[in-house]
Amino acid sequence: SQQGEEDPQALSIQEGENATMNCSYKTSINNLQWYRQNSGRGLVHLILIRSNEREKHSGRLRVTLDTSKKSSSLLITASRAADTASYFCATDGRYGNKLVFGAGTILRVKS
Amino acid sequence: GAVVSQHPSRVICKSGTSVKIECRSLDFQATTMFWYRQFPKKSLMLMATSNEGSKATYEQGVEKDKFLINHASLTLSTLTVTSAHPEDSSFYICSAWTVGPRSTGELFFGEGSRLTVL
Repeated sequence: SQQGEEDPQALSIQEGENATMNCSYKTSINNLQWYRQNSGRGLVHLILIRSNEREKHSGRLRVTLDTSKKSSSLLITASRAADTASYFCATDGRYGNKLVFGAGTILRVKS
Repeated sequence: GAVVSQHPSRVICKSGTSVKIECRSLDFQATTMFWYRQFPKKSLMLMATSNEGSKATYEQGVEKDKFLINHASLTLSTLTVTSAHPEDSSFYICSAWTVGPRSTGELFFGEGSRLTVL
């Protein structure tokens, strides 16, 4: 079953703007990860945040985690057309033995 | 980063035939691989966890006899869709994660296999 729920389902912005995607989950986690998928391709890992971390940065990416609200957000700053893709959060669940993916956000960055 | 190779990338078959999809970890050993299924514009649905040298663990609702998984070596897992029907048409993606002291906890994905059953 899918644990994570993401919003928005689709997001369209202009190049240079920031994009924020949110993810909520239901059970306890060890870590939460964000992945990117270009259309018809496999997934690429973006960033992992552990349950004892609140914020993490990687280049233009900023991820926050609020375990009390069971939610996370992914911020992409200064977006580029090449950022157009689907973005998924994934949680490892209570036992950390598999990843369950959220519904995903389809991001379109217009140039 | 670690590389996972999936083959074939696209396959078209007739209804009733069986199709095998291979997933290989190219530069690391993967005791555990995961098979996901993805419908158009939808998320990934975990089908099963493939364990080297033992039986796969299937998620609820996934037919074991329909989706046969074999993990015969530390670098290869195969998914066989048996007696395929049009409703089995989908995008199948395998993944693996590295284990041990250098493990980062991230999953490495194959490029996916698009199955079309006529």
